[in-house]
Formats: sequence, C-alpha cells, structure tokens
Amino acid sequence: GAGVSQTPSNKVTEKGKYVELRCDPISGHTALYWYRQSLGQGPEFLIYFQGTGAADDSGLPNDRFFAVRPEGSVSTLKIQRTERGDSAVYLCASSLMGEDTQYFGPGTRLTVL
Amino acid sequence: ILNVEQSPQSLHVQEGDSTNFTCSFPSSNFYALHWYRWETAKSPEALFVMTLNGDEKKKGRISATLNTKEGYSYLYIKGSQPEDSATYLCAFMVYSGGGADGLTFGKGTHLIIQP
Repeated sequence: GAGVSQTPSNKVTEKGKYVELRCDPISGHTALYWYRQSLGQGPEFLIYFQGTGAADDSGLPNDRFFAVRPEGSVSTLKIQRTERGDSAVYLCASSLMGEDTQYFGPGTRLTVL
Repeated sequence: ILNVEQSPQSLHVQEGDSTNFTCSFPSSNFYALHWYRWETAKSPEALFVMTLNGDEKKKGRISATLNTKEGYSYLYIKGSQPEDSATYLCAFMVYSGGGADGLTFGKGTHLIIQP
C-alpha cells in the first residue's frame, strides 16, 4: 500500500519568506508526527497530532512554526519569516492508534538562502 | 532533556564481516526503544520496536538486544552486505501515560560496507 508522502521533496526559499510543507499519512493512521533533522544531528521532534488536534507541540522551536491537520488526515507545517537556521530535512511520520511503530515519509529538504 | 547517544558515529566494514553498534538512553521513564535504518534519498525504515528488558529481536541478518536497567541497546549485523550501507538511528520513547508519543533520536551510526 501507499506509504507516507511529503511534498515538495525539495524547497529553496529566501530568508524572510513563508513556506508550507505537506504530509499525507498512511490511510487510517490517526497519529501524525513532524520531525526536523538539521545537518549532523538526529531527527528532532516538533509536534504530534492525534486526529485533528495537536496532542503535543512542545518541540516547535518558536511561534514562527505552526502546523495544522484540519480533517485528521493531511497535515501542513507552516513556517513564517524563514531564517537560515530553519534549513533542514523535515520528516513526517504516522502511526495507528495503539501502535508504537512510526512510518516515515521521505522528507522535505528545506534550504533558506 | 533526554540524551540518546549512539556510537560509533561512523563505521567502515568489509563485506562479509559482522558488526555491531550501541545506543545508550536514560533508564528512567522508559517506554520503548526504536531502531530505524535510513538510506540516502529514502524514508527511514522501522527495524525494531523494543519494550521489554532483556528483549532480543531479529530480522534476517540484523538483530538487536535491549537492557532497560542500564540504558543501552546493541544492533548487530551478521555478514554485512553492500545494501546494509545506511545510517542506523535509535530513538527513545518515554512513558507519558498517553500512549505513543514523539521520539527522541540519537545522531545515528553511519555504516559503510566496503566490497
């Protein structure tokens, strides 16, 4: 079956611009996670949705970052006034309720010039 | 702040040889330890989710052990093949009372198998 998909695969933007990153989870997965991997680091947790609501957004670095999942399926990570330090691979994962395994998408590589 | 350490950071292994690497994690509030394999330009692939102290899991030539009391897990690869070249990530999940939660990852072990 179809796995987690993320679009775009690559995004280059200029400092100060607004970007949106999209995640399509596996059908039927109620939990959705966003992570960010900066160069030389492991993936870092950003936010976790259970259904439509953000169950834990403690990993969002500041108020420039916001994520939504209005219908409990597709999620969009929104970054305002991008900074060069936001350059990273943004990973999305989904899981079934009650299961621990998280299934990852291929990521979106964001480059802020 | 949770600290998940992986060693070594990178590893070159001759094809056919066996190898292993380590993940260390906090021993308090343990819920689960995950291992992932991440090949360049692909999605991270789940290898194992381990929850019980003393647990040992196997998938083909890859196996993993877990010691929750001392806070470490080993990943073993037997008879390395070129397709095993990847970054191997471990990730720690705390018990929060609410079930599955965000993972705390180590920086990974970058494994290169040399033909």
